[in-house]
Amino acid sequence: AQTVTQSQPEMSVQEAETVTLSCTYDTSESDYYLFWYKQPPSRQMILVIRQEAYKQQNATENRFSVNFQKAAKSFSLKISDSQLGDAAMYFCASGSGTYKYIFGTGTRLKVLA
Amino acid sequence: SAVISQKPSRDICQRGTSLTIQCQVDSQVTMMFWYRQQPGQSLTLIATANQGSEATYESGFVIDKFPISRPNLTFSTLTVSNMSPEDSSIYLCSVEGGLSTEAFFGQGTRLTVV
Repeated sequence: AQTVTQSQPEMSVQEAETVTLSCTYDTSESDYYLFWYKQPPSRQMILVIRQEAYKQQNATENRFSVNFQKAAKSFSLKISDSQLGDAAMYFCASGSGTYKYIFGTGTRLKVLA
Repeated sequence: SAVISQKPSRDICQRGTSLTIQCQVDSQVTMMFWYRQQPGQSLTLIATANQGSEATYESGFVIDKFPISRPNLTFSTLTVSNMSPEDSSIYLCSVEGGLSTEAFFGQGTRLTVV
């Protein structure tokens, strides 16, 4: 069975600082994708970044980057130069190309002014 | 990307009643998905809805409780039947990304059962 684990229920970061959110996963699929979604109080799930498992290079989207360690089944999200608007729940998810995702339990990120 | 409109955005319902949630997409998609997010919890897939066939339910979810319709390639409904307070959750519609590898989500329906 596929599982996604986020061990940090809550994290805090000072504005303009860097924070890393952790995620580990387990899957029997050989071809899969990993995602970080952001869910602000509006409830809208917003894709932050995605990583194709077959790519060795870590994905980067502006201030967001991942550290993808395939052998360790680890997929952490680094947010640089944190902004107040980054405050939200962050969910790590895995999918095998069927768009059926397994989500982690989420990490609530607080950004301190 | 796909734009998804979900209605209602929130509702408060009496136990024993049913609520139908609508999901409208601005483009044709083959696969649509319904997720449940219980208070303070993660998202759990309820079922996959393909046009022209019956929905496929995940373990722990049954058609009698969560009937789903998929009349065309841009629309789906999820009904929460015979509601109890334990059904109080956010229900989210999701659609395939097409050429994109990620799924897109509606803004969710916050359901409170009293």
